[in-house]
Amino acid sequence: IVLTQSPGTLSLSPGERATLSCRASHSIMNNYVAWYQQKPGQTPRLLISGASTRATGIPDRFSGSGSGTDFTLTISRLGPEDFAVYYCQQYGSSPPTFGGGTKVEIK
Amino acid sequence: EVQLVESGGGVIRPGGSLRLSCVASGFNFDDYGMSWVRQAPGKGLEWVSGINWNSGSVRYADSVRGRFTVSRDNVKKSLHLQMNSLRVEDTAFYHCVRGISGYDHYFDNWGQGTLVTVSS
Repeated sequence: IVLTQSPGTLSLSPGERATLSCRASHSIMNNYVAWYQQKPGQTPRLLISGASTRATGIPDRFSGSGSGTDFTLTISRLGPEDFAVYYCQQYGSSPPTFGGGTKVEIK
Repeated sequence: EVQLVESGGGVIRPGGSLRLSCVASGFNFDDYGMSWVRQAPGKGLEWVSGINWNSGSVRYADSVRGRFTVSRDNVKKSLHLQMNSLRVEDTAFYHCVRGISGYDHYFDNWGQGTLVTVSS
């Protein structure tokens, strides 16, 4: 399953809302979609699994939604620590695949 | 605290071989499936291979099948990736990752990675 993330880059100011899209080439079984955040020089951090379940310790300004082939990660109010690259991943079919990433940068 | 520490990367010529290792600590290693995920410098993420808790099930990405072999030693709490017939396009950081609900599901802990550079 090929995942296409859009936009490639999102330029926003702290406090704004970020909406990141992940579209799949085929319907994802059980909405098995995860989202990760990666900052420069760091490893990816799990944010969301099962399309909408936040991982332990993830603030509630991060939320995931979607079903079938269209999934969304929303950051309600961007904090300075949220500027990073975000990847979606599907695990409904093997092999698991990742999207190309969306970079959220400071405007 | 969960820790995953990789080793074994380096510079290798095309066609060569390397063996990567990952030592786990801070959790019951044999309760989890494990995978390798790679990331070329400045690029995105690619799942490479995974193995279930008792080595009874293994899978590979099409890009490495037939060249890479994953294995684990639950006594030593270690994960390995034997990489043969290496290609320039295998150049990447290789991360050892812990799988949740399956070795090829999602990943909640990542090692810092070991860099493999394939170059003539």
